[in-house]
Amino acid sequence: GQNIDQPTEMTATEGAIVQINCTYQTSGFNGLFWYQQHAGEAPTFLSYNVLDGLEEKGRFSSFLSRSKGYSYLLLKELQMKDSASYLCVKGSNDYKLSFGAGTTVTVRA
Amino acid sequence: GAGVSQSPSNKVTEKGKDVELRCDPISGHTALYWYRQSLGQGLEFLIYFQGNSAPDKSGLPSDRFSAERTGGSVSTLTIQRTQQEDSAVYLCASSLGGEGLNTEAFFGQGTRLTVV
Repeated sequence: GQNIDQPTEMTATEGAIVQINCTYQTSGFNGLFWYQQHAGEAPTFLSYNVLDGLEEKGRFSSFLSRSKGYSYLLLKELQMKDSASYLCVKGSNDYKLSFGAGTTVTVRA
Repeated sequence: GAGVSQSPSNKVTEKGKDVELRCDPISGHTALYWYRQSLGQGLEFLIYFQGNSAPDKSGLPSDRFSAERTGGSVSTLTIQRTQQEDSAVYLCASSLGGEGLNTEAFFGQGTRLTVV
């Protein structure tokens, strides 16, 4: 497998910051995606990293270190609607996408 | 079409019956993926197509499961002799694929299969 590891659950307060870490097997790596999935809905695309560094998109940022096989998704100024599952997805050279099990983020008032 | 379309959206079937699930990807997308998701669980990879070929069938849970893709477009996932443990949401996704970097995958809304 691709050994995509991310925490199962995280809880944070409205307005706070949460960082979701993800590690993966580096062999055949060709891009790292983050998806958001609300309960009962299909996953939707959040971010994509292929080079090392930080990609910022509004309240969400994603970081990649290819040599370490490591990425994180940073959610700032948390809102109640951010309560969802966040999926770390590794793209491979053969275009297969491998999904992590997801991190359930619960935002509390 | 504008997005990935899956049909039916819901399917209730009796144990032992065969079912066919359909996925219509975004026009021009060469890569197509099938996943399934049981209640409260993560996505489970089933099969991946590049064009009409399936380089990776490793996720199909048993020989009761098969999938095909024709014309580089529509894909059908067939489950024969359904069992109760097959009950799940079956998700299809497509991406541009082809040479070069990976591109994002777009998901359909899924088919909720219930085997009674």
